[in-house]
Formats: sequence, structure tokens, C-alpha cells
Amino acid sequence: DAKTTQPTSMDCAEGRAANLPCNHSTISGNEYVYWYRQIHSQGPQYIIHGLKNNETNEMASLIITEDRKSSTLILPHATLRDTAVYYCIVRLLTSGTYKYIFGTGTRLKVLA
Amino acid sequence: GAVVSQHPSRVICKSGTSVKIECRSLDFQATTMFWYRQFPKKSLMLMATSNEGSKATYEQGVEKDKFLINHASLTLSTLTVTSAHPEDSSFYICSARDFNSYGDIQYFGAGTRLSVL
Repeated sequence: DAKTTQPTSMDCAEGRAANLPCNHSTISGNEYVYWYRQIHSQGPQYIIHGLKNNETNEMASLIITEDRKSSTLILPHATLRDTAVYYCIVRLLTSGTYKYIFGTGTRLKVLA
Repeated sequence: GAVVSQHPSRVICKSGTSVKIECRSLDFQATTMFWYRQFPKKSLMLMATSNEGSKATYEQGVEKDKFLINHASLTLSTLTVTSAHPEDSSFYICSARDFNSYGDIQYFGAGTRLSVL
């Protein structure tokens, strides 16, 4: 079962920041949080990941709470091309292999 | 970023035939690749973990004789859907695990849409 909970859908105005929340209250100390997005009928695209520190790259910022039970993905200036399903994933170690178990994701719609 | 190529992107076949899907890591070597399945408007479901040079590990409920996985090289994994039936119609996606300067990341292929008539 997925270890993450996300809102089903969100809207964001073009040019504004999109803040996508994720709850992962059962996360273990050495489990990373990954964010991907999937545009219709394509494979998921890697965005960012982190363990406990906030992270930033050219696509987004990831804010992880101090207790690590939740995180927020921030797209600083959303564009229409950012419309997609965003998945927050806690990477699990099972049977000696790190695996992604996808949750339901958040369907972000960027409005013109 | 790392590139994963998946082929074919779309396949239509008759019931009872077998279909092979290829997943290639183009600019890195991947000892571990993964196969997922996705139904319309649903999330990705992990089917199996493919390890180079060894047998694949299947998730609970996935028939290993129906979905044959081969990972014969560090850049290629294949998924063969044997004796396909209409209920096997779905979007199949592979990923390859890479360790690079950004960390330990799975990179995904573009997916294969299988339609069984």
C-alpha cells in the first residue's frame, strides 16, 4: 500500500506558485520522498527528491517538515505545460530492493 | 537527465498472441529495472522488479508465466505478455534505476499501450 496521501485535484492560476501537499506520516527515518509528474499518456517524469533537508532544482522546490511526516512540492511559476498528475512517493526497501509504490496522485490543472 | 527508451509505443494484437515490449537505458547502465501497469485514470501499479542476470521478482498477484521478464544486459529488459487476452489491454511502463550526481533515481520510459482484440 502507498504510504502517501495527496489531494485528488488542485487548480492553480498561470504564473502563480503551485503548492502541492503530501502526507507521509508513517515514513521511516531512512526513507526518501520522491516527486514525479505524469502528463497524459506519457511515462512519469522525475522532478525532485529529498530525505530531510529542503531541496531545490531547476524545476521545483521540495519542503519537508521537521518531523518528516509531510512535504510540499512548489512549482514557483506555474505554466499551462505544468498541468499533469503529480505523484508523491516514499521509496520503500522491501526484499532487498528499493521500490516505488505509487499513490493516487494530485491532478493539477493550471488555468490561463 | 538519464534517458529510458521503450518500444513499441503502441501495439494492437489478436487474442492468443504474445507481445514483447523492450525497455532500454540509453546513456547509463541499469542493474535494476521495473515494470508497471496502468489502467485508465488510475495510478501506476508495480508488476515486477527486473535484475540483470537473475530472475525477476514479481509482486503479489502478478502471474509470472503470463508476464515473462528478461534482463539479459545492463541496458535492456524485456516484458513478454504471453497468450494475450482482452483483459491484458493496458498501458505498460518501464523504469530503470540510476545512481548519478542527483542521487538514486528511477527514470521512466514513455510507455506502451497494448490493445488486445
